[in-house]
Amino acid sequence: GEDVEQSLFLSVREGDSSVINCTYTDSSSTYLYWYKQEPGAGLQLLTYIFSNMDMKQDQRLTVLLNKKDKHLSLRIADTQTGDSAIYFCAEKAGGYQKVTFGTGTKLQVIP
Amino acid sequence: DGGITQSPKYLFRKEGQNVTLSCEQNLNHDAMYWYRQDPGQGLRLIYYSQIVNDFQKGDIAEGYSVSREKKESFPLTVTSAQKNPTAFYLCASSLGASGTEAFFGQGTRLTVV
Repeated sequence: GEDVEQSLFLSVREGDSSVINCTYTDSSSTYLYWYKQEPGAGLQLLTYIFSNMDMKQDQRLTVLLNKKDKHLSLRIADTQTGDSAIYFCAEKAGGYQKVTFGTGTKLQVIP
Repeated sequence: DGGITQSPKYLFRKEGQNVTLSCEQNLNHDAMYWYRQDPGQGLRLIYYSQIVNDFQKGDIAEGYSVSREKKESFPLTVTSAQKNPTAFYLCASSLGASGTEAFFGQGTRLTVV
């Protein structure tokens, strides 16, 4: 079945760039997502990328997709303390609505 | 404002009791989902529904039940058959197969003592 993997923890200093990585196994993935979860709250969609794209940039966020290696990354430029949260990678195959989530990466930003 | 609402935010129940978690959306979304979140395990799909009066089991449906009598509502019952029910439960909705984004509720933290 589908599997999405992420490292559990990342620590960066305020102002540095953060890079959160994700690998997935389903070669039929059509949509790949990054969600943010703040403590005790639901998930909020940050950005998504279609599988036929290599890169997507949205303000401080850059998503890179290597479809050959099934590797997705999220880069946050100029990381702020407000970026501290858990970041989930997720994928969805075309037509079938099930979204598979990774384990989440907890980002800690050190002032 | 449009959104998806879960209630209550915190819920305590005694072991052996059934409990129902509420999820309501006014986004006119066809699809609704229930996920369970445990530390270090990400989100696991319990049940999902693509349309009213229809729902499908997810990856960890045992010990749970749902209904979808109205488009806006997708309640989840955690039954006494669920071996380890203490968790954070998240409800989500999306437009359907054509929708790219799932909108999440704020979650319900269930503690069974």
